[in-house]
Amino acid sequence: GDSVTQMEGPVTLSEEAFLTINCTYTATGYPSLFWYVQYPGEGLQLLLKATKADDKGSNKGFEATYRKETTSFHLEKGSVQVSDSAVYFCALRKNTGNQFYFGTGTSLTVIP
Amino acid sequence: GAGVSQSPRYKVAKRGQDVALRCDPISGHVSLFWYQQALGQGPEFLTYFQNEAQLDKSGLPSDRFFAERPEGSVSTLKIQRTQQEDSAVYLCASSSRSGGGRVGDGYTFGSGTRLTVV
Repeated sequence: GDSVTQMEGPVTLSEEAFLTINCTYTATGYPSLFWYVQYPGEGLQLLLKATKADDKGSNKGFEATYRKETTSFHLEKGSVQVSDSAVYFCALRKNTGNQFYFGTGTSLTVIP
Repeated sequence: GAGVSQSPRYKVAKRGQDVALRCDPISGHVSLFWYQQALGQGPEFLTYFQNEAQLDKSGLPSDRFFAERPEGSVSTLKIQRTQQEDSAVYLCASSSRSGGGRVGDGYTFGSGTRLTVV
């Protein structure tokens, strides 16, 4: 079935470190891929997305590239800040239906 | 309102009690979704409304779960005879487009209701 697998956390980094959170997916057809972020006490917020192979989504210094050959959508940021501390969810949405399939989330803590 | 509002933020229920969780979507949003997020897991789909019509309830885990959206705006998720395995955060999301829009569209999520069944 359709699913998303992302690296387990928690991840702890020092400010200005490089961030990678791995995400791979299983789906038939051509899904769209998303990263959502959940700050403490808040709802899920869309961080970035990509709708087709080789597309790169980017926002707030975060980037992810839709790699169909490796079925991956890894999240990266060159220099993290304390304010990036949150839980990050990788998700897919198929081109049929309207459900999102989420990964289990990766908790990121950035220390000064 | 400016965002998706859910109430209550926290709910503690005794096993066997009935609960009702409320979602106020963004005004004018036609699509509304409920998701269940167990501790340490990602959200999982429960049900979808387009206006007042419940078009997909395939994710509801049992017949103890019931959702409604009678006037096409506010929605209520009701859980009867709560069990401990129902403990989770229940998220509501909405979209301005029918069917949740195109496949590349994201949804606006609320902050959720954390239900704890004791």
